[in-house]
Amino acid sequence: DTAVSQTPKYLVTQMGNDKSIKCEQNLGHDTMYWYKQDSKKFLKIMFSYNNKELIINETVPNRFSPKSPDKAHLNLHINSLELGDSAVYFCASSLGLAGVVSADTQYFGPGTRLTVL
Amino acid sequence: GNSVTQMEGPVTLSEEAFLTINCTYTATGYPSLFWYVQYPGEGLQLLLKATKADDKGSNKGFEATYRKETTSFHLEKGSVQVSDSAVYFCALGDNFNKFYFGSGTKLNVKP
Repeated sequence: DTAVSQTPKYLVTQMGNDKSIKCEQNLGHDTMYWYKQDSKKFLKIMFSYNNKELIINETVPNRFSPKSPDKAHLNLHINSLELGDSAVYFCASSLGLAGVVSADTQYFGPGTRLTVL
Repeated sequence: GNSVTQMEGPVTLSEEAFLTINCTYTATGYPSLFWYVQYPGEGLQLLLKATKADDKGSNKGFEATYRKETTSFHLEKGSVQVSDSAVYFCALGDNFNKFYFGSGTKLNVKP
């Protein structure tokens, strides 16, 4: 009964290729996120979606395009991969969104390790 | 703006030693504070949280108190075990559910 799942777990590819990472949550949450964790373990938010609507879009190259077909899924498509895209990408979800009294706990997937050669 | 600063690691302790990992924050508004733990090869798991000043979060022997006067949320455990070896992240969540993470502190516990 995995709460937040990601596929694939590992992704090795050549520079210039296009790849996608899929994320699904079965928690019934309204909001989903993508984070990038670099080699020094620093974790930074990339995007968040609430009920299929883009809410947070940090300064991420437009080669990265999130897509949310429904509120349980948030996929990440990356075009023209570069060496610097190598990292671990985490998907997360939380119950609600803005205007809450306190921030909701975010639940993380197991991560996808992307290696660009 | 919002940010989180936590002590750099690695922190190496012997089993049953006392643990403190320092975390301080800067924030506008009234954030919630979290500690997450990441075991090797896994995603982040919530360890504990506190949603307002003077709240104490606790779980599995770990605890942290939300101190507004010192803008801190230090993680403590009285007696660490080898199984506690992991990377610990302090995080701040704002009212828009945007999270800001510290840089992580690696804990190594030796038998």
